[in-house]
Amino acid sequence: GAGVSQSPRYKVAKRGQDVALRCDPISGHVSLFWYQQALGQGPEFLTYFQNEAQLDKSGLPSDRFFAERPEGSVSTLKIQRTQQEDSAVYLCASSPPKWDTQYFGPGTRLTVL
Amino acid sequence: QKEVEQDPGPLSVPEGAIVSLNCTYSNSAFQYFMWYRQYSRKGPELLMYTYSSGNKEDGRFTAQVDKSSKYISLFIRDSQPSDSATYLCAMTKGGFKTIFGAGTRLFVKA
Repeated sequence: GAGVSQSPRYKVAKRGQDVALRCDPISGHVSLFWYQQALGQGPEFLTYFQNEAQLDKSGLPSDRFFAERPEGSVSTLKIQRTQQEDSAVYLCASSPPKWDTQYFGPGTRLTVL
Repeated sequence: QKEVEQDPGPLSVPEGAIVSLNCTYSNSAFQYFMWYRQYSRKGPELLMYTYSSGNKEDGRFTAQVDKSSKYISLFIRDSQPSDSATYLCAMTKGGFKTIFGAGTRLFVKA
């Protein structure tokens, strides 16, 4: 079956531009997570959704970061006025109702020039 | 100090060697412990999942958790070149927020 998909796979933005990153979770997965992975580091938690409800956004670095999952399936992570320090791989993961593991997508590599 | 510490390596071993990967952590509230494998330009994939202290074996992989020492390990027996990847430890207090280590890069030479 299809896994978690993310688009675009690569995004280059000029400093100050807004970007939107998309995540398509595995069908039927209730939970959805966003992580930021800097080069040579492990993923860092950004935010978590259960269905359409955003239950935790404590990891979002600033108010320039915004995530939504309006219908409880596809999710979008939006970064406004991108800065060079936003350059990283953004990973999305989803989990079934009985949480035992997270299934990760391939990530979107964001480069801010 | 980070909640989860992991030596980034790189660790280079010959094919067939036993590999030992480790993490330490500071928060005694962590209860669920995981090891993920991440190939270059791919997302992490779960290898092992352990609740609380003890050992768990799955094929060539063995995960150990010592909560008294706040120390977890992953052992890989008969390592293969296809095992070359970054190995991430991860843990959670029982909720959804997972804390990852920085990852150890492993190279298995044929």
